[in-house]
Parts: sequence; C-alpha cells; structure tokens
Amino acid sequence: NAGVMQNPRHLVRRRGQEARLRCSPMKGHSHVYWYRQLPEEGLKFMVYLQKENIIDESGMPKERFSAEFPKEGPSILRIQQVVRGDSAAYFCASSPRIAGGSTDTQYFGPGTRLTVL
Amino acid sequence: AQKITQTQPGMFVQEKEAVTLDCTYDTSDPSYGLFWYKQPSSGEMIFLIYQGSYDQQNATEGRYSLNFQKARKSANLVISASQLGDSAMYFCAMREGRRTSYDKVIFGPGTSLSVIP
Repeated sequence: NAGVMQNPRHLVRRRGQEARLRCSPMKGHSHVYWYRQLPEEGLKFMVYLQKENIIDESGMPKERFSAEFPKEGPSILRIQQVVRGDSAAYFCASSPRIAGGSTDTQYFGPGTRLTVL
Repeated sequence: AQKITQTQPGMFVQEKEAVTLDCTYDTSDPSYGLFWYKQPSSGEMIFLIYQGSYDQQNATEGRYSLNFQKARKSANLVISASQLGDSAMYFCAMREGRRTSYDKVIFGPGTSLSVIP
C-alpha cells in the first residue's frame, strides 16, 4: 500500500525558472494539502485541494504560485519565476474524507527540497 | 497570535529514559484535533499520534502517549524508553473545526530531541 509520493525529491532551479512539484496521494485519498517548510521552521499551510477544486488557498503567495489537482494524475504545485526565497522543503499530505471516520489524519509525502541558485 | 506553542526548541534525553515534549494550543472552537509528527534528519514527516477534543481518554500508540489536559489547552507528547532512533524534530499540530469540514492543520515550531547513548 504505497504512501504519498512526491517527485522530484530534490529540485534545483536558477532564479527566474519554473518549478513543478508533483504529489500523488495515497490510494483512496481524494484530499491533498501542500505545506512549505522554510529552513529551521515548522510547516506552513499553503493550499488544500480536492479533485478539480481548490478549496482553500489562503496560505499561497498571491503571485507566482499555483496549484491544481486534476481529475486524472497527480497534484501539481507550480512556482513561476522562482526566487532565492522560494528555497524550502515542500510537503504534500493527503487524507481520506470519511465523514464520522477515525482521525482524518493527514499523511505526508517525503517532501521536495527546492533549491534556487 | 501563535496557535501552537512548543516552548522547548531543543531537548536531550538519556537512552531508555522517558521524555515529555510540551505543546500548548489556542482555539475557541470546541471541536478540534491534535497531532504529533516526527521529522528525522532524512526530512520526511511521520505521523505519530492523534487526540480528538472530545476523546475521553488520552491517546496512546506504542511508546508514544499524549498527555491531554483540555482545561490547560496542553497536549504534551510522552515518549517512553527513548531510543537512539527517536532523535528528530517533533511537531505538534492542530486541526480546527468539525470533522465534516476540511482539515486545515496548523503546525508548531517544533522541538529538536536528541537521545544520548
């Protein structure tokens, strides 16, 4: 039973390039969350998506960042025109949505470490 | 205002001893969930334990137990019989809202635990 998968694990980009981070949720999970972890800090919520819908993007920077979770395929976090301050670990988490279920726990992927040169 | 406070940036514990990692939270929502995650040096986020605000008993998972004191708004993690592999960052997190709403999870700043042989 595969867990949450993220790729690439490490991504190096030069300033001004685009970064695309992919997340495949656990089987049976239809809810995806993206978090950013800056060096020496905790995780900060960015966006919550269900299939084909953005539910909450209150943690996303207003410019250059976008996310999608298409009907088929992984969720994508896209960062356009990256800057050095975008260097961070980006974690994806998924959860099932079982009303009245157990914990609704979010299970995390291994993260993508983005380095902007 | 900080929603999740972890006052111990770093902790040391002798192998085989028990250790308590502190976490206090702030919410006015009567329904919430509390989580602990472990992040070893390899970077992945590992779910450890969950406590719901309406759970009558403190959560336990193997060597992990959650000392939930609702009136004090604290949810301390207790690790019994520490092992060298327990050395990691530990994050306390909270989900606010009813289970039927989405799981926006807020993380604390983390506590770095080092287990001494």
